[in-house]
Amino acid sequence: GAVVSQHPSRVICKSGTSVKIECRSLDFQATTMFWYRQFPKQSLMLMATSNEGSKATYEQGVEKDKFLINHASLTLSTLTVTSAHPEDSSFYICSASGTGGAYEQYFGPGTRLTVT
Amino acid sequence: EDKVVQSPLSLVVHEGDTVTLNCSYEVTNFRSLLWYKQEKKAPTFLFMLTSSGIEKKSGRLSSILDKKELFSILNITATQTGDSAVYLCAAITNAGKSTFGDGTTLTVKP
Repeated sequence: GAVVSQHPSRVICKSGTSVKIECRSLDFQATTMFWYRQFPKQSLMLMATSNEGSKATYEQGVEKDKFLINHASLTLSTLTVTSAHPEDSSFYICSASGTGGAYEQYFGPGTRLTVT
Repeated sequence: EDKVVQSPLSLVVHEGDTVTLNCSYEVTNFRSLLWYKQEKKAPTFLFMLTSSGIEKKSGRLSSILDKKELFSILNITATQTGDSAVYLCAAITNAGKSTFGDGTTLTVKP
């Protein structure tokens, strides 16, 4: 099956710093990648959808300048949390789809971000 | 606003029982419904349903979609403790937007 990796799996950073999370599709070309965040005991909340080579589409309420998304190639998307604050602490999960749509999404293992 | 509702929110059964998880949706320009199993980390893909009335099966798991009544069910027969997880469903639109339900937490006791 399709494999998606994320790096790092866990990161702790100080308030005010920026953190970059990478999402890679290892054995297929991901024309579309999705970024989610998940709080404890809650469901996935879609943050943004990115297509290779174009700007990401952000969901309502998600700050574009705070959560920078880059989808520079068909196998890599990055999410940068800028000027992180403790309330940004969460589980960030990416998923990738190879059909140009969201028909089958394959999820990465997630990144646990803790901002102190 | 697109909405996906799962029920029950949690369920406790014993090994060998059969369970049915429900997912109803109200989504504009609906394309597909997806089921996922989430244990400790990220969700793993189970099924994608696009057409009404066609059952998809994988081992003890099966799922079906009713596009007229706007719901889907996920059945697990002969449950095992390894089936304990959160089961998520998501409705996908033609534009590729996904809306997830809150999940059903299934606990299977030995």
